Formats: sequence, C-alpha cells, structure tokens
Amino acid sequence: ETGVTQSPTHLIKTRGQQVTLRCSSQSGHNTVSWYQQALGQGPQFIFQYYREEENGRGNFPPRFSGLQFPNYSSELNVNALELDDSALYLCASSLVESGTGVEKLFFGSGTQLSVL
Amino acid sequence: GQNIDQPTEMTATEGAIVQINCTYQTSGFNGLFWYQQHAGEAPTFLSYNVLDGLEEKGRFSSFLSRSKGYSYLLLKELQMKDSASYLCAALDSNYQLIWGAGTKLIIKP
Repeated sequence: ETGVTQSPTHLIKTRGQQVTLRCSSQSGHNTVSWYQQALGQGPQFIFQYYREEENGRGNFPPRFSGLQFPNYSSELNVNALELDDSALYLCASSLVESGTGVEKLFFGSGTQLSVL
Repeated sequence: GQNIDQPTEMTATEGAIVQINCTYQTSGFNGLFWYQQHAGEAPTFLSYNVLDGLEEKGRFSSFLSRSKGYSYLLLKELQMKDSASYLCAALDSNYQLIWGAGTKLIIKP
C-alpha cells in the first residue's frame, strides 16, 4: 500500500467530452505529479503541483489541467478528449526520505481511461 | 533531446540471474531510479543511484556509471513473481523524471 488512492479505476468517455480524475495522497506529501502511461510505454510526465501551485509541466497541451487542494487531494482535468488520450493515468506523491535525502515517488494504482 | 533506452523484453529462467541494462541521455543528471511494475498495477520503487557503483538490496542490485550514461538492474535467484516490467528513470537538471519505456521480464519455470 502506497497510501495514494485514485478514482475512478476505469472510465470510458467519447471523443470531445471532458473528464476529471481524482487522487488522494498521503498526509504531509506536499508534491503530487501526474503521469500518462500508454500501453507498453513508460510514464510520461504531465505536470507537478507543490503546495497547490503548478511546479513543472511536461509536453502536454493546455487542455490538460490540474488542481491540488490543501487536504492533499488533487485533480487532473482533460478537456476535448481525443482518441489518443486513452491511457493509464497515474498520480504520484513524493516524499524526501530522511537520512538518504532520496525523493521517492509513491504511485496510486491509476485510472484506466478509454476514449471511444 | 532527452532519451532513455532499455530492452523491450527479456526472458529468464526461475532461479537464474538476469541483468537489465539502461542507457540515458538527459540535460543534467540528478540520479537514476528503477521501478517495478506488474501488469495492471502502479510502479513501485526498487532503487536509486546517484553515485557511481553498485547498490545491493537483497536479491536486487543496481549499478550506475555516470561517465557512460549507463545503469543496470541485476536480479538474482529469480522467482516467478519477478515477472513484471522494469522501468528505468533518470532525474534531469530540473529534477523531472525522464522514463524509459520499460523492460518486460518473463520468467520461465
């Protein structure tokens, strides 16, 4: 158990619709990142939030947006869905390990989004 | 550009040893991670290297050579449960993780 939960686990949408994916991370984990993972590929970084502000963004269009809330939950919103948006969406919170200083990512189990 | 290369798929026998290689090209470097991902599940942390050399952790070891832009994950005494994808990820100068596509490891009895 990573302490990171995502909902829903599976979702089916049609092209042009909008979707909101949710993530709840561990208390004290101030940083949350969102990734898109296509089948057979590694995770692609979408963006990162730190203390409710966007702290970095990957090569994704503006129709991918996010929010982070004070209660360590966050959202990924995708507008105008396209077929290529079909993928596993992973949320990860991070914590710097005391002693080693290593920042570890704790992933949720993901939301499998299918766009038809 | 930034790039991570690792083999797409490898096959090994239960009880044997396997080495999964990874080469990386990133703008700056702040460490290399290995993650394990079982089918349909989230990645889980295996190891982190930032200095050259071998880090051993039970049956799993990870090696890094910064001058060569090269890392490997060594799995000993393979078990069937080790069948999974193994993802290599490098931390660039902006502290963003650049991920490889993963190596699917198939363990045969």
